[in-house]
Formats: sequence, C-alpha cells, structure tokens
Amino acid sequence: TQLLEQSPQFLSIQEGENLTVYCNSSSVFSSLQWYRQEPGEGPVLLVTVVTGGEVKKLKRLTFQFGDARKDSSLHITAAQTGDTGLYLCAVRNDYKLSFGAGTTVTVRA
Amino acid sequence: EAGVVQSPRYKIIEKKQPVAFWCNPISGHNTLYWYLQNLGQGPELLIRYENEEAVDDSQLPKDRFSAERLKGVDSTLKIQPAELGDSAVYLCASSLGTINEQFFGPGTRLTVL
Repeated sequence: TQLLEQSPQFLSIQEGENLTVYCNSSSVFSSLQWYRQEPGEGPVLLVTVVTGGEVKKLKRLTFQFGDARKDSSLHITAAQTGDTGLYLCAVRNDYKLSFGAGTTVTVRA
Repeated sequence: EAGVVQSPRYKIIEKKQPVAFWCNPISGHNTLYWYLQNLGQGPELLIRYENEEAVDDSQLPKDRFSAERLKGVDSTLKIQPAELGDSAVYLCASSLGTINEQFFGPGTRLTVL
C-alpha cells in the first residue's frame, strides 16, 4: 500500500487550460513536498508546505495543504508546454523521502 | 555551480552481466543518496551515505547490489549479476546534511535484456 496516493495517474490537456493534481494519504504529516521531474532528468523541488490549510503560489502554480495535513493539491493555471512532466508529492521522515507514484502531465501545443 | 553528475546516462546490458553507475555530488555536499525509480513510480531510497559511511542501506538488495563512497565524495553503485527486473532509472542525490534539500542528478536509465 502506497503511503501517498496521487491522482490522476495521467493528465493530458491543451495549452492554456487549467489542471489540478492531488496527493492523498490516511496519515498526518508535518510537511509535504512537491517535485517536478522532466523527461530524462531528476526530480526538482517546487515547494514545501508545512501548515494545515496553507496555500503557496509559485507563478502559475498554486499548492494547498489540507487542513488535517493528510492531503495536498497542485493547481496549474493556463498551462504551458513547459509544464509537461511528472509531478511527485513526497513526505520526509528525518532524512528519508517517501514519494507518491506521481501524475504524468502532458500539455499539448 | 555544477549540479549532481551521473554517468553513464543510458546503459543496455544482457541479464547476468555486471553494471556500474557513477555519481559526483554537488561540491561540499556530505550526504549522498542512491534511489531506484521504476517506470510509473516515484523514487525509492536504496542507500544513504554520510561522508564515506553508509548509514542506511536497509533497502539495498545486498545479494546483488553494492555501493561505495571511498573518499566521501563520488560514489559508485554496482549490480552483479543484473536481472531483467533491474531495468529502471537509478538516481543519485546529494544534500548538505540530512535536513536540507536533496538535489537530484539526471539518473542512469538501465535496460536489462
């Protein structure tokens, strides 16, 4: 059983559309991270959310941590082809990162 | 500043052959990690080094996998012999201490035929 469940598994949209991907768990976390992994590259940290109900914005990306700190969402506004990639959520226990399976996002021109 | 460097980027071998992957972390990063990423999955930790010491190798399949970081800088991960199920991307990451951000290399994509 995955500690973190990500949905959907795949998402294909047209450039300019909005999208939301989800990361859910039955466990409570002190913090949660989102990464983006482009094809042929390693994951790159986008954001860390710490406080329940927290909303963080990174340009067109909006990250939200659930009030109960069990879930999180990533919303992309007006997606661009450069947003294509694998979006991973992860939690840290001391040094150890545990990742979800990711959502593969494809933005078509 | 250079990021984490890995080589080779791609490797194709036949089953039962040995294979080795090399990683050079970001300069000054004392903590080094090797991860395995299967297709359609997130990375899973194989081993963590603090300087030259392997402080967590609990997830490393020791019957066929080995790793070393002799001088506490670059590291090598070896598989001998490789099996079909070892086909995956092997990622190296480094950080300055364990609480700071981990920076990932581009990975080595291994295909075992």
